[in-house]
Amino acid sequence: NAGVTQTPKFQVLKTGQSMTLQCAQDMNHEYMSWYRQDPGMGLRLIHYSVGAGITDQGEVPNGYNVSRSTTEDFPLRLLSAAPSQTSVYFCASKQDRADDNEKLFFGSGTQLSVL
Amino acid sequence: DQQVKQNSPSLSVQEGRISILNCDYTNSMFDYFLWYKKYPAEGPTFLISISSIKDKNEDGRFTVFLNKSAKHLSLHIVPSQPGDSAVYFCAASGPDSGAGSYQLTFGKGTKLSVIP
Repeated sequence: NAGVTQTPKFQVLKTGQSMTLQCAQDMNHEYMSWYRQDPGMGLRLIHYSVGAGITDQGEVPNGYNVSRSTTEDFPLRLLSAAPSQTSVYFCASKQDRADDNEKLFFGSGTQLSVL
Repeated sequence: DQQVKQNSPSLSVQEGRISILNCDYTNSMFDYFLWYKKYPAEGPTFLISISSIKDKNEDGRFTVFLNKSAKHLSLHIVPSQPGDSAVYFCAASGPDSGAGSYQLTFGKGTKLSVIP
């Protein structure tokens, strides 16, 4: 029972480098999302997707790109990393966006440090 | 401006006693509320939820109370156990949340420590 799988678990980047955080789910969930967690800030939504080919911005989208070519995968791209993007990133999914009773399933997170 | 507020960063409770975690919200459009629990180095996991048409929801040792007029909800854990030690996040959604329509807006979290 894999659920939501995130890779890598840890990553150190230099300012200006690019990278992609991977997220995959095996529950056939239509909805997927990316959050970042910063000390004293809680979880903030970066981008989300309600199905393959459909993405939208959340609360803090600047500096991040996403795409959704398949139901299973929702990668998060940092095109030019900045120290302000040092954070723990969580991917989450759920069955049906329109059903408010559906709870999110989270991955175990990626800890990213940008030097 | 934070729409979901958890004003207590931490809480310590003796094993067997009641833990009460509080959450306040400012957005009157929120109509669904959830609590998530997070252990270190793990992702948050869903704990319990409540719709705005209810004022109480119970699941085993966990009960969530909603006071819409005060824009306040609380999570009660009775009895508290050492395994309950974790960070608890309050979250809310509605047609006009800060993160987007029906996207979850989270509070900053409260770290609960249950002392054996």
